Amino acid sequence: EAQVTQNPRYLITVTGKKLTVTCSQNMNHEYMSWYRQDPGLGLRQIYYSMNVEVTDKGDVPEGYKVSRKEKRNFPLILESPSPNQTSLYFCASSPRSTSGNNEQFFGPGTRLTVL
Amino acid sequence: SQQGEEDPQALSIQEGENATMNCSYKTSINNLQWYRQNSGRGLVHLILIRSNEREKHSGRLRVTLDTSKKSSSLLITASRAADTASYFCATVWNSGNTPLVFGKGTRLSVIA
Repeated sequence: EAQVTQNPRYLITVTGKKLTVTCSQNMNHEYMSWYRQDPGLGLRQIYYSMNVEVTDKGDVPEGYKVSRKEKRNFPLILESPSPNQTSLYFCASSPRSTSGNNEQFFGPGTRLTVL
Repeated sequence: SQQGEEDPQALSIQEGENATMNCSYKTSINNLQWYRQNSGRGLVHLILIRSNEREKHSGRLRVTLDTSKKSSSLLITASRAADTASYFCATVWNSGNTPLVFGKGTRLSVIA
């Protein structure tokens, strides 16, 4: 089944404890992206990647890192989480196309709480 | 940020009625997409309309695009309780290979 998977789905952690949220897609998509969703603010892009070893900052990259060492995986790293990073996180992927068809496929979300 | 904006923020209708949501954006776009999100879940792509298209249909969904006004509307006809969700518009800027920019969404409640 074509899908985007995220792990963990739920995580409660404490300030300063490094964590990684994994994202994997099995559709051979070139484009992958991370978003956070907060009440009243909608979805805001954190980082995106157009291809392997190519990553770019989105609207809210502070406090996050990503890597794209292989096409299928795009982990989100919080080196020193803080309470303002408590949020619902979504990974998404998309086939990159010169026709501009950028329909994105979303993972199920990771609900992160930083105490 | 070139984020689009949906209007209204929340909409409550009776089952069987039509629901209309609007989206305005600021930049020239390559295409505009509508997504649906059930509470706390991932977004699901509904429909994509390109900048050279004015109207598109998919089942009970109808999307219009007015590039001169930089706006789009999503119409859901004969709504059902299962249509209750948040709906987001998202735009792709004119270069076509740029990130999707989402609006804040319209929360639709369909009352049975």
